[in-house]
Amino acid sequence: NAGVTQTPKFRVLKTGQSMTLLCAQDMNHEYMYWYRQDPGMGLRLIHYSVGEGTTAKGEVPDGYNVSRLKKQNFLLGLESAAPSQTSVYFCASSYSSRQGQRNEQFFGPGTRLTVL
Amino acid sequence: KNQVEQSPQSLIILEGKNCTLQCNYTVSPFSNLRWYKQDTGRGPVSLTIMTFSENTKSNGRYTATLDADTKQSSLHITASQLSDSASYICVVSAKNTGNQFYFGTGTSLTVIP
Repeated sequence: NAGVTQTPKFRVLKTGQSMTLLCAQDMNHEYMYWYRQDPGMGLRLIHYSVGEGTTAKGEVPDGYNVSRLKKQNFLLGLESAAPSQTSVYFCASSYSSRQGQRNEQFFGPGTRLTVL
Repeated sequence: KNQVEQSPQSLIILEGKNCTLQCNYTVSPFSNLRWYKQDTGRGPVSLTIMTFSENTKSNGRYTATLDADTKQSSLHITASQLSDSASYICVVSAKNTGNQFYFGTGTSLTVIP
């Protein structure tokens, strides 16, 4: 049981390049999330998904796209990277909110992205 | 506006000492509050969860308290160890908003020998 895994762990991009971050979970969770974490700020929600084939915008969605083609995978795409997207990206998953306390989020180890 | 504020921003203590971290929130309607520990270079890991009816929850040397009336929570760490050095994040979720989570900016704790 690997929990939540993220690939890659590190990446350096040049401005304008594109890339996809992959998140995978093996806990059969319905909900999946992408966050970014910047110094001095709390985790900010980029996009989330409440189930296979569905996605929704979070607090800071601009410049990012996501897809949830399979229940266990959640992809985060940067079409044209900008220096402002330099950050640490965390993926998380959880059961649905209707499960009460079972809505604990389990986080991946993070991806450190630098955009030059 | 739903917000979560934590204090202090950073804290340095000697190994073996106790410390208390604070979390104030304005999230409504309240569902539950979690404390997460985030080691450097890793993702956050849940320490405790508290619902409206709970006012104390322990997990080993970690004890969380919740005062739902004043909308305050604290995390008390007893007999600190070097491995407690981490960022501690308070996260509050609201009812009826799907899985909407509100994150504090965290308290960075450093335990020195």
